Parts: sequence; structure tokens; C-alpha cells
Amino acid sequence: SAVISQKPSRDICQRGTSLTIQCQVDSQVTMMFWYRQQPGQSLTLIATANQGSEATYESGFVIDKFPISRPNLTFSTLTVSNMSPEDSSIYLCSVEDRTGGRYGYTFGSGTRLTVV
Amino acid sequence: GESVGLHLPTLSVQEGDNSIINCAYSNSASDYFIWYKQESGKGPQFIIDIRSNMDKRQGQRVTVLLNKTVKHLSLQIAATQPGDSAVYFCAEDDSWGKLQFGAGTQVVVTP
Repeated sequence: SAVISQKPSRDICQRGTSLTIQCQVDSQVTMMFWYRQQPGQSLTLIATANQGSEATYESGFVIDKFPISRPNLTFSTLTVSNMSPEDSSIYLCSVEDRTGGRYGYTFGSGTRLTVV
Repeated sequence: GESVGLHLPTLSVQEGDNSIINCAYSNSASDYFIWYKQESGKGPQFIIDIRSNMDKRQGQRVTVLLNKTVKHLSLQIAATQPGDSAVYFCAEDDSWGKLQFGAGTQVVVTP
């Protein structure tokens, strides 16, 4: 399966600041996804990021708060802007994975964000 | 919107016993389902998947059952081991590549 490197793995940030999370994949992928996992909860899709087009955001998530870049087929960033304690979550990137003859979705290890 | 959910938030199972984790889904148009395992501090790890044209699929020590009549999905883990302790999520692919996750079940394996 595809190997995803996500950075940083964790961070503690002051409210009002912004954090950019990077997601690097070891193979070219068309579709990349960003998820949020609030403490003790399940995963919620933030947006879909395809190379060459603007990200598509899910209900409840807006570009001003979560700007996304997708400059090429192996890389994407998610920025959490003007952070508040409610943004404390694990943020995960995921890719549509067709390596090894299998179809599925592979996840990075996540970025654990704490806003104080 | 339509959603995927789980019946049990926590499952305690004795080592060596079989585990069954259940999941209900509501979108009858969904055609692809995945089970993920998430250990503490890690991202979800693929376990097994199944398409809607199947009702059973087996992997190594794991079996997924799909009952489309009642919109129910289950994951069976045979001979549960301490390393199986984790949170398990079912996920539904809406065919646009966007996964909708269930609430998750914490599996605790006791000696």
C-alpha cells in the first residue's frame, strides 16, 4: 500500500495562531482527503483535495478556516487557521490507494493538535 | 444525512475467544465497506473490505459479513489476541471516494 508521511506528528499551539500540516505520499495519487478526529470520536471528512483543482469542503468546514494546497500528485497541506481550543483534534490525511492491485484508502499517522 | 453507526461502544473479550463487532448503515446505495483498526497514537489501518455484491469475505483471522437486507455489517476476529486491542471503525464509501465512518468500538482484550 501507499506510504504516507504526515508532519508534524503533534503540536501544541497558542489560540489565534495557525498551523500547517503536511502530507507526503510515496506514489502519485489522484485523490487526497483530510479528516478530523476529535478526542474520543470518529473521523469526519473535512475536504477532498485533487491536484489541479480547488479543494471540495464538506458541510461545516470552510476554506478560510481550513485552507488546503495540492501542488502535485504526491503532496498536500492543510492549514488550521486562527485556532481555538475547539480545534484540538487529530488531523489525518488519506489517499485513494490503488497500489498492489488493491483498491482502498490509506491513512497517515495523523497530527495531534492541542490548542491552548 | 445518512450515516453509519455501531451498536457497541466497548467490547471486552477474553484472549483466545472470538470477537464480533457490529455496524449498521443506512445508505442502501453504498457499494463498498471497509473495516479499520486504530491503535492509540496511530492512524486507521485497513483490515478488510467488502463490496455490496458479496455477503462474506475472509482474511487472516478476520471475516466481514454484509447483510444488505437489514443494512448490517459485522467484523469477526478469531482467537482474539492482546494485539487486537484497539478501536475498530466501519466505513462506507459513497462511491465518490468520501468515507463515512461509524462511531467506533473499543475492543479490550483481557488475559
